[in-house]
Amino acid sequence: AQSVAQPEDQVNVAEGNPLTVKCTYSVSGNPYLFWYVQYPNRGLQFLLKYITGDNLVKGSYGFEAEFNKSQTSFHLKKPSALVSDSALYFCAVRDAGRRALTFGSGTRLQVQP
Amino acid sequence: EAQVTQNPRYLITVTGKKLTVTCSQNMNHEYMSWYRQDPGLGLRQIYYSMNVEVTDKGDVPEGYKVSRKEKRNFPLILESPSPNQTSLYFCASSAAGSNEKLFFGSGTQLSVL
Repeated sequence: AQSVAQPEDQVNVAEGNPLTVKCTYSVSGNPYLFWYVQYPNRGLQFLLKYITGDNLVKGSYGFEAEFNKSQTSFHLKKPSALVSDSALYFCAVRDAGRRALTFGSGTRLQVQP
Repeated sequence: EAQVTQNPRYLITVTGKKLTVTCSQNMNHEYMSWYRQDPGLGLRQIYYSMNVEVTDKGDVPEGYKVSRKEKRNFPLILESPSPNQTSLYFCASSAAGSNEKLFFGSGTQLSVL
C-alpha cells in the first residue's frame, strides 16, 4: 500500500521569509512524488515532481522540493515567501508499479504581509 | 486553450435522484480520473480510466459509476445519491507516460439533501 502524510494542517510564515511544507511518504517500491497547489475556487495545479535523479527538484513559481530517501520525505520549500503563495498545498505519491496517485490531506499555507 | 471542463459547477439535489457530472478534456489525454475532496481527507480517487473503454476502481468507488465511450469524455454517474456523497468533485486528465502531470477541472460542488 502507498500513503502520504502532511503533518501540518496550516503553516504561517511572514512575507520574505523562507517556507517549508512537510511531506512524508510510504511505498513498497520506488516512489514518484508530486506537489500540487490549489487556489480558492480552483482545481489543483501541478508544481513539481520527483521521478529519479537529483534529489533537489525545482518547479513552478520559485518552489523546490528535496527528496530524502532515508527519511522518506519530500518537503516543499521556497527561499522567500510571497503573499500570493497563500493556498492549499497537496503532496502526492505513487509507487512505480502502480498507476493511481495517493494524495495527502493538504497543508494550508498562509503568508502574512 | 488546453483545459479540463466540468459541469455543473454547483449542484444541489435530493437523495435518490440520479445525476451525472460531465467531464471533457481537449488535450487528447489517454488517462482520466475522478476525485472527491473532503476536509481533512485530501483528495481520494473514485474511478480512473487508462483509455477508451478501460476503467477501474480507485479508493472510494462505492455509489459511483463511470463510462469512457470517447477519449475526451469521462462522466461521473451517481445512480442513487446519498448525503454522504456531498463533496467537492474534481476530474483530471494526463497524457500516457507523462508521469502524472495531472490537469484538473475547476470542480463540482455537490450537495445531496
